[in-house]
Amino acid sequence: DIQMTQSPSSLSASVGDRVTITCQASQDISNYLNWYQQKPGKAPKLLIYDASNLETGVPSRFSGSGSGTDFTFTISSLQPEDIATYYCQQYDNLPPAFGPGTKVDIK
Amino acid sequence: EVQLVESGGGLVQPGRSLRLSCAASGFTFDDYAMHWVRQAPGKGLEWVSGISWNSGSIGYADSVKGRFTISRDNAKNSLYLQMNSLRAEDTALYYCAKVFPRGFDFWSGYLDYWGQGTLVTVSS
Repeated sequence: DIQMTQSPSSLSASVGDRVTITCQASQDISNYLNWYQQKPGKAPKLLIYDASNLETGVPSRFSGSGSGTDFTFTISSLQPEDIATYYCQQYDNLPPAFGPGTKVDIK
Repeated sequence: EVQLVESGGGLVQPGRSLRLSCAASGFTFDDYAMHWVRQAPGKGLEWVSGISWNSGSIGYADSVKGRFTISRDNAKNSLYLQMNSLRAEDTALYYCAKVFPRGFDFWSGYLDYWGQGTLVTVSS
């Protein structure tokens, strides 16, 4: 099975800050990597698919990059409504594993 | 509007069974693979099981293999998860999710729509 790791596990940042989360796969997954946002008490929401493609309707301050084993998710200017946990997920192989998540809050 | 509505959760004793359902609407259900994903209280997301559009391909997480069975009824636009021999560690919010395909395999793609989840609590 492919293992997914994320760092950091949590972070605090100020409104307007640039926030970066990394996700690493235990083996090459090409660009078969998605990012989801989960706000407290809500279902996850797709933000980025295929490592760098922004889902329709998602604000452009969110972006993703990377391929192979190393991926990055960025919020260019953190907003109060971005308080959430962010998960990466690979779909190169079964099982389509999620990373452990990164909790983002406001400093 | 795409809607996924899970039901069937509840409190159940260890070793007993439960059947979850997911009613889908707003899209052509039999065109898409579907997944079950769970989240234990205060924990992260865990993929549980997935099924192709025609039930021809199915997969399970090792943690539920042999105990859970996924199925679908395309005539009823419904997805199911039969959970047997339940354990305390199966306690979680169970989500059904629609797969937007990015390849030929049922797991290949992204989860573009999620239900709100149904809570399963396994406790004596």
